[in-house]
Amino acid sequence: AQTVTQSQPEMSVQEAETVTLSCTYDTSESDYYLFWYKQPPSRQMILVIRQEAYKQQNATENRFSVNFQKAAKSFSLKISDSQLGDAAMYFCAYGGNTGTASKLTFGTGTRLQVTL
Amino acid sequence: GAVVSQHPSWVICKSGTSVKIECRSLDFQATTMFWYRQFPKQSLMLMATSNEGSKATYEQGVEKDKFLINHASLTLSTLTVTSAHPEDSSFYICSARGAGSYNSPLHFGNGTRLTVT
Repeated sequence: AQTVTQSQPEMSVQEAETVTLSCTYDTSESDYYLFWYKQPPSRQMILVIRQEAYKQQNATENRFSVNFQKAAKSFSLKISDSQLGDAAMYFCAYGGNTGTASKLTFGTGTRLQVTL
Repeated sequence: GAVVSQHPSWVICKSGTSVKIECRSLDFQATTMFWYRQFPKQSLMLMATSNEGSKATYEQGVEKDKFLINHASLTLSTLTVTSAHPEDSSFYICSARGAGSYNSPLHFGNGTRLTVT
């Protein structure tokens, strides 16, 4: 079974600064997907970024980028130029290939605070 | 963009009663829907996978007779918590994937906060 570990329960960053959230996972599959989701106080799950394991290039979405290290099974999220609206719970998630791709396994989450 | 509507957003019920939660895909056909449960300050735990026209697949440890899932159409899945007890109080979230590629993005509902008194 796959597992996802987020070792940082809480992180804090000043506005306009950069912060990196850590995530490691364990799997025996060679093809899979990794995700970062944001959950603000509204509890709505919002997809931040997605990475296909077969792609060596790290995914980037505006201020959000990942550092995907397949051999190390590491998938960290970097938020640049942090904004107050980035404050939320961030969940790293694993999705297997084929029919299990959407059957996500979530980490325990990291609560990000953004300070002035 | 694709929208998943979940209703109700919150519900309070008495112990022993049943509660139905609806998850609708508003602008796409969802062949597969997923039901998650989230306790306060914890992660999302997958309860079951719901496929249109077939029986749901439950994760280990989830009581299928207590959490009834029906996916009768391509746009609607329901989760019924039967004979609810206070320990069933939680936040329930559905997600849906459209037809086509297995790696198409998931879309989440806004969740339902269930409180059993």
